[in-house]
Amino acid sequence: DQQVKQNSPSLSVQEGRISILNCDYTNSMFDYFLWYKKYPAEGPTFLISISSIKDKNEDGRFTVFLNKSAKHLSLHIVPSQPGDSAVYFCAPQWGGGNKLTFGTGTQLKVEL
Amino acid sequence: GAVVSQHPSRVICKSGTSVKIECRSLDFQATTMFWYRQFPKQSLMLMATSNEGSKATYEQGVEKDKFLINHASLTLSTLTVTSAHPEDSSFYICSAPEEGRNQPQHFGDGTRLSIL
Repeated sequence: DQQVKQNSPSLSVQEGRISILNCDYTNSMFDYFLWYKKYPAEGPTFLISISSIKDKNEDGRFTVFLNKSAKHLSLHIVPSQPGDSAVYFCAPQWGGGNKLTFGTGTQLKVEL
Repeated sequence: GAVVSQHPSRVICKSGTSVKIECRSLDFQATTMFWYRQFPKQSLMLMATSNEGSKATYEQGVEKDKFLINHASLTLSTLTVTSAHPEDSSFYICSAPEEGRNQPQHFGDGTRLSIL
């Protein structure tokens, strides 16, 4: 039972344009949502997060939007850069316990 | 920033061998660490929660006698894959959150385990 789904396994975007990565979840207990970026043969690195009491959080080129009623969140990267090419995972948690449930991941490729 | 070190990065060994993987938090203390497994082109699946000074908590379907976890200090957790077989070949990753509610987790760089 996959509680967290990222329906686009891959996404290709031109440099300078916006990248939009989507994530859907089923568990209404999730109250904190994190995005991680992962390069091959490395561990994930934290990117940005959002609490369930907010609907938007922005950090530089990265913005995360949360639609609780739709159980949907998205990560916007603008402008996209070649160094952003990686696999992106959304990873919600609940209860403050730091136990993450990883989504299926989206491979982002930013082309020159 | 906070760093988690995982060692070794790669192991190749014969079937039946037991393999130990170490996960260290280098500049912070971690009462809890997490162990994940990732198959090719799939997501990270949580295997177990390592608790300092007490028994690990395993996720459903994970054999605790197969994957032994020890968290003997506030900076070190170890995962031992006992009597490893080819189906145990995978990418194993550990993580540790800093103390506090909703703290981002810091991940090690993973261990690629290949059982021949």
